Amino acid sequence: GIQVEQSPPDLILQEGANSTLRCNFSDSVNNLQWFHQNPWGQLINLFYIPSGTKQNGRLSATTVATERYSLLYISSSQTTDSGVYFCAVLGGTASKLTFGTGTRLQVTL
Amino acid sequence: DAGVTQSPTHLIKTRGQQVTLRCSPKSGHDTVSWYQQALGQGPQFIFQYYEEEERQRGNFPDRFSGHQFPNYSSELNVNALLLGDSALYLCASSWDRDGYTFGSGTRLTVV
Repeated sequence: GIQVEQSPPDLILQEGANSTLRCNFSDSVNNLQWFHQNPWGQLINLFYIPSGTKQNGRLSATTVATERYSLLYISSSQTTDSGVYFCAVLGGTASKLTFGTGTRLQVTL
Repeated sequence: DAGVTQSPTHLIKTRGQQVTLRCSPKSGHDTVSWYQQALGQGPQFIFQYYEEEERQRGNFPDRFSGHQFPNYSSELNVNALLLGDSALYLCASSWDRDGYTFGSGTRLTVV
């Protein structure tokens, strides 16, 4: 099956800093989503982005499908951005969403 | 527009017992997927239901079974509970190959 790797695994930022999270995948994908999991376990959809670039406030994402990677940019980070960020893909003929290993982000004052 | 609803939110069961978790999909979504997330790990795919049939299954034993009803809602059943079944169980709904929407999850503790 398709493999999804995320980097870095852990990230500590001071409030106001910018960061870039990366997601690499091993095969072509039909769907790619970025999620933020809050401390209560809720997976919140940030972007549905199988290709191209999207922006939503301080967050933006870019997927380069031909090179099999996606980037999530967080600008002017806030403490509420803390949590785990997951990349998940739907590849080939599969109907299941496969998750990456996650990036744990901690934003400090 | 209601999102994905899961019940119960928390559950404590004893080893060997059976448990049923419930999920109502987002309006307009006809496909339901179940995931298990152990502490500190990413969600692992259990199975997916579409048109009341299991469409795809992950690497989980037969103790894990499910059902989808005509209104697209779904249940996850786990028999003969083990301590290792303690986890957050997440339900997601989707339509065709549209994006997935996840519920808040059911946190199961097996003692």
